[in-house]
Amino acid sequence: KAGVTQTPRYLIKTRGQQVTLSCSPISGHRSVSWYQQTPGQGLQFLFEYFSETQRNKGNFPGRFSGRQFSNSRSEMNVSTLELGDSALYLCASSLDRGFGANVLTFGAGSRLTVL
Amino acid sequence: GDSVTQMEGPVTLSEEAFLTINCTYTATGYPSLFWYVQYPGEGLQLLLKATKADDKGSNKGFEATYRKETTSFHLEKGSVQVSDSAVYFCALNPGGNKLVFGAGTILRVKS
Repeated sequence: KAGVTQTPRYLIKTRGQQVTLSCSPISGHRSVSWYQQTPGQGLQFLFEYFSETQRNKGNFPGRFSGRQFSNSRSEMNVSTLELGDSALYLCASSLDRGFGANVLTFGAGSRLTVL
Repeated sequence: GDSVTQMEGPVTLSEEAFLTINCTYTATGYPSLFWYVQYPGEGLQLLLKATKADDKGSNKGFEATYRKETTSFHLEKGSVQVSDSAVYFCALNPGGNKLVFGAGTILRVKS
């Protein structure tokens, strides 16, 4: 059974550019959530999608956006990149959206470097 | 708001030593609690979970008990191995599929 697949694994951008990251969840999983990991702020929740709808959003500026497609694949976009956006972006999928007990399976992440 | 506090690392142990990584939380309601592990260059892997008070999660020799009275979920292992060297994250789920993570604790095990 394939795991959560994130592409690209590594990318380098310059300030002001935009970037799109992709996440393919485990087959049959309908929920996808995104996290940002940095040395200074640790792991922070970005947003969660279920059935193509954003269900929850973290405390990030509007430059961070996402979407989910009908096949549950998800993308996140960061516009007008800043140096502080350099991070490991992790996607996690889950079978459903029950209260609290669901296990999230994480991908290996997309490492973004902003120069 | 919801938060998780973990003991700072790095924690350095010799092989076969006993491990404890402390984790306390602040949350409204009764969140589920998790321990995730991250090996170098990889994403997070679920280590164990507990969904209600007094539940004990266990996996691969690691265990943690959900203590509502002390709002804690300390991770323990009786005998660590070099292969356990990684970063360990305590997390709570207040609802939906959102996780609130602690800062992580680096564990280094020497042979």
